[in-house]
Amino acid sequence: NAGVMQNPRHLVRRRGQEARLRCSPMKGHSHVYWYRQLPEEGLKFMVYLQKENIIDESGMPKERFSAEFPKEGPSILRIQQVVRGDSAAYFCASSPGLPSTGELFFGEGSRLTVL
Amino acid sequence: QKEVEQNSGPLSVPEGAIASLNCTYSDRGSQSFFWYRQYSGKSPELIMSIYSNGDKEDGRFTAQLNKASQYVSLLIRDSQPSDSATYLCAVGLNNDMRFGAGTRLTVKP
Repeated sequence: NAGVMQNPRHLVRRRGQEARLRCSPMKGHSHVYWYRQLPEEGLKFMVYLQKENIIDESGMPKERFSAEFPKEGPSILRIQQVVRGDSAAYFCASSPGLPSTGELFFGEGSRLTVL
Repeated sequence: QKEVEQNSGPLSVPEGAIASLNCTYSDRGSQSFFWYRQYSGKSPELIMSIYSNGDKEDGRFTAQLNKASQYVSLLIRDSQPSDSATYLCAVGLNNDMRFGAGTRLTVKP
């Protein structure tokens, strides 16, 4: 029973390039969350998605960042025209229901480095 | 005001002592409360969940919740060096799960 799968685990991009981070939730989970973590800091909520719908994107910067969770395939967090400040660990988590009812299961994270 | 607040630490305790970690939250309607442990360079893993006022014990861990005070804590008894990690408090409300900045705990042998 595979857990939450994220790839790539490590990604290096130069300023101005695009970064695409992928997340496959646990089997049977239809709720996906993306968090960003800077070194020595906590998890900052970015976006919450259900299949084909963005439910809450209040934590995501209005420009350059987008997320999707298509009917088929993984959830994708896309960062266009990356800048050095985008360097961080990006964690995906999934749950079978609303977070008010249970825990989130985390992937191993994707670590983005912008040169 | 931050939604979920924790002392950043670091908190240092000797092996065998009790470690006490605290968390406050701002939204009175919050429904679920979690403690996650995160080792350096790793993903968070759930160690305790609590949904109603009072204490909940699981092995060496006890979570305490006081909704009137908007306060949740985690006690670790007989602390071990392997407990050294960052502990994240998380609060759930409907669609949201918001995390505190974490408290770094060091257990010294």
